Amino acid sequence: GAVVSQHPSWVICKSGTSVKIECRSLDFQATTMFWYRQFPKQSLMLMATSNEGSKATYEQGVEKDKFLINHASLTLSTLTVTSAHPEDSSFYICSALPYNEQFFGPGTRLTVL
Amino acid sequence: DQQVKQNSPSLSVQEGRISILNCDYTNSMFDYFLWYKKYPAEGPTFLISISSIKDKNEDGRFTVFLNKSAKHLSLHIVPSQPGDSAVYFCAASITGNQFYFGTGTSLTVIP
Repeated sequence: GAVVSQHPSWVICKSGTSVKIECRSLDFQATTMFWYRQFPKQSLMLMATSNEGSKATYEQGVEKDKFLINHASLTLSTLTVTSAHPEDSSFYICSALPYNEQFFGPGTRLTVL
Repeated sequence: DQQVKQNSPSLSVQEGRISILNCDYTNSMFDYFLWYKKYPAEGPTFLISISSIKDKNEDGRFTVFLNKSAKHLSLHIVPSQPGDSAVYFCAASITGNQFYFGTGTSLTVIP
């Protein structure tokens, strides 16, 4: 199956700093990637759809200036959490959609102190 | 509004028995359905899928059933194994674009 990787897998940062999370498709090209956030004991929450070469589409309630998404190439999308605060601590997961099946990255756990 | 619902947050089953996980949806336009399995601190992994032109899809111990009239799908695991203990998400989509996930069912298989 298709492989999606994320980097880093775990990040701890101080409040007020910005954190960048990378999502890569390793063996296929992805014009569209999705960014999710998982809260404890809840389902994945779709944050935004990342489109290669154009602006991301954000879901209602997601601050686009807070969560910056860049999809500069067909194999890389980045999510930057700007001025992170403790409430941004969560598990962030990206996915891509080759072959009409959605493949998820392993996730990035962000802890903001 | 939750378009995909998994009304049972948890399920416990004896090893060797059948596990049945249920999922209901509201949007009749959904035409593609998937089940994901998720271990703690990992991303969900794809398990099995079914398109709306079918009512059953089988892959080894896993079978997904789709009842379009009832807007209901289920995942059967036979026989259940302790390694199957995880959270299972169902998801639905229209034309394979964005996916709408259920809230998950935590399955515990008791040895």
